[in-house]
Amino acid sequence: RKEVEQDPGPFNVPEGATVAFNCTYSNSASQSFFWYRQDCRKEPKLLMSVYSSGNEDGRFTAQLNRASQYISLLIRDSKLSDSATYLCVVNVLGNSGYALNFGKGTSLLVTP
Amino acid sequence: DAMVIQNPRYQVTQFGKPVTLSCSQTLNHNVMYWYQQKSSQAPKLLFHYYDKDFNNEADTPDNFQSRRPNTSFCFLDIRSPGLGDAAMYLCATSNPPEAFFGQGTRLTVV
Repeated sequence: RKEVEQDPGPFNVPEGATVAFNCTYSNSASQSFFWYRQDCRKEPKLLMSVYSSGNEDGRFTAQLNRASQYISLLIRDSKLSDSATYLCVVNVLGNSGYALNFGKGTSLLVTP
Repeated sequence: DAMVIQNPRYQVTQFGKPVTLSCSQTLNHNVMYWYQQKSSQAPKLLFHYYDKDFNNEADTPDNFQSRRPNTSFCFLDIRSPGLGDAAMYLCATSNPPEAFFGQGTRLTVV
């Protein structure tokens, strides 16, 4: 079983739609959780951290369920510029320090 | 201003010819990572440094080595690049827990 699993998509949605991405992780010792955004042929950029209490940043809402080892990202009122790959990232503190484990990413295409 | 800088952005090397990729940071973060990302795949961790402590992933080929002479700089050495090593190589730093990436070096092996 992969450490971080995501539905690869692609998700094709019209502008203005609401879209949700899910992610599961296998290591119960995981400590920190993030969503990164990666545009084609660019580096990943931090979108938001994910907390158990849930957090919201404008049109983006992230949720963490530690019991189910599940992370979600909700995008409301999708914009064309939201088209990208969204990477679920889990930070695990092991014997050798922190390691960031990435999911394969979920591809989003927002269409006019 | 870029905080994690990778050089070069694009590197073409010959099959079997050693190549070095560099990464520098102005964030003074104690953790630095090297990732390999192939097309349509997730970034794959090669190794990371926690300060001077080097941590190699179990499945990182011996062909890949790294050096961190000081907090600011980290190098990825590929001793004998093969065609399968063509990829985007991403450097990231962390304080932790969030990590910040450089723009990557796209390596082509000919």
